[in-house]
Amino acid sequence: DAMVIQNPRYQVTQFGKPVTLSCSQTLNHNVMYWYQQKSSQAPKLLFHYYDKDFNNEADTPDNFQSRRPNTSFCFLDIRSPGLGDAAMYLCATSRGGGGANVLTFGAGSRLTVL
Amino acid sequence: DQQVKQNSPSLSVQEGRISILNCDYTNSMFDYFLWYKKYPAEGPTFLISISSIKDKNEDGRFTVFLNKSAKHLSLHIVPSQPGDSAVYFCAASGEAQKLVFGQGTRLTINP
Repeated sequence: DAMVIQNPRYQVTQFGKPVTLSCSQTLNHNVMYWYQQKSSQAPKLLFHYYDKDFNNEADTPDNFQSRRPNTSFCFLDIRSPGLGDAAMYLCATSRGGGGANVLTFGAGSRLTVL
Repeated sequence: DQQVKQNSPSLSVQEGRISILNCDYTNSMFDYFLWYKKYPAEGPTFLISISSIKDKNEDGRFTVFLNKSAKHLSLHIVPSQPGDSAVYFCAASGEAQKLVFGQGTRLTINP
């Protein structure tokens, strides 16, 4: 089945210790997204790639970086996690172009910061 | 400034009755609206969408209504089933491939 896979599902890190979350897709979609979702809040877009073009949201902290080495993979790097960065991180993909822009999500990576 | 709002954090409905989930938005430039469903420990899954040029879209038990003048949309589920218990997110599509989400409404279907 074509899908979006996120690893790890659960990540525990210490305050200030860098973390990398990964996302892979077999859908061959052009666009890949990273959302941050805190408890009972709306998923918040951090950034997205349209092919190799990187699009950062204006309010995404510099502490968050992303890499997309090829069509299938995208990484979220958190350089110095703070307690406020504890959240569910959702990766999603879409074909892009016109229309309803339906996103397909992975199951998420839950980050705990001690 | 939240562009998409779901003002009801939770909703409880009896099995077999109609569930109505509401969503308000502020940006008149949104061109599509989508509903997603999320079970615990899973990512959101796409349910149904509607173009801003339509006022209704139906898919089986799910119907989405759009009132552009009120900047309001709703998702109707009828009849409601126990498997419909989940968190429902409203989302709006606008510029540059971005999807803006509401906070979600937790729907519980009681037997």
